[in-house]
Amino acid sequence: DVKVTQSSRYLVKRTGEKVFLECVQDMDHENMFWYRQDPGLGLRLIYFSYDVKMKEKGDIPEGYSVSREKKERFSLILESASTNQTSMYLCASSLEGPFDGYTFGSGTRLTVV
Amino acid sequence: KNQVEQSPQSLIILEGKNCTLQCNYTVSPFSNLRWYKQDTGRGPVSLTIMTFSENTKSNGRYTATLDADTKQSSLHITASQLSDSASYICVVRAGGYNKLIFGAGTRLAVHP
Repeated sequence: DVKVTQSSRYLVKRTGEKVFLECVQDMDHENMFWYRQDPGLGLRLIYFSYDVKMKEKGDIPEGYSVSREKKERFSLILESASTNQTSMYLCASSLEGPFDGYTFGSGTRLTVV
Repeated sequence: KNQVEQSPQSLIILEGKNCTLQCNYTVSPFSNLRWYKQDTGRGPVSLTIMTFSENTKSNGRYTATLDADTKQSSLHITASQLSDSASYICVVRAGGYNKLIFGAGTRLAVHP
């Protein structure tokens, strides 16, 4: 089975801190994604990447950046964390195509205080 | 506007009972529709995928239906178990410009 591993299940950070969320997949998938999930809302796409060093903005990229230096690793960076970035962050990867057949990680619940 | 709406928002049923979750979408053009199950504190896991030509697909006790004319899908759970307690998310892929539109989910609680 494909595994998508997010390095932290829970994080608490202070406003203004730079925050790194890490995601690693072990099945050589080309495509990787970062979503945030908030109560009452569907998952919203922050950024995605279809190749090493390539990145594309999703629907809500403001306040975030990403890095993909190696195929298996996709990092989400909050340049200066704010309280409205408190959320569940989900990483996903896919082989079949840019927008299909996702395998999700278990999520990182980030609280910004 | 492309939208996916799920109902009900939440549901409580007794173990062993059946239930049906609804998903209505306005996505066009339509490519496919997936149902995901998300256990508390975990990432979503795909249950089924429906394409335009399919109107019923089963995965164990889960049966998904799709009516492409009315743009409705349902997920029927038979003989519910405590382990079915989770959020169920409907996701529609829009063709052409490759976009996924997520519903907000239905939170199901199965009580003994």
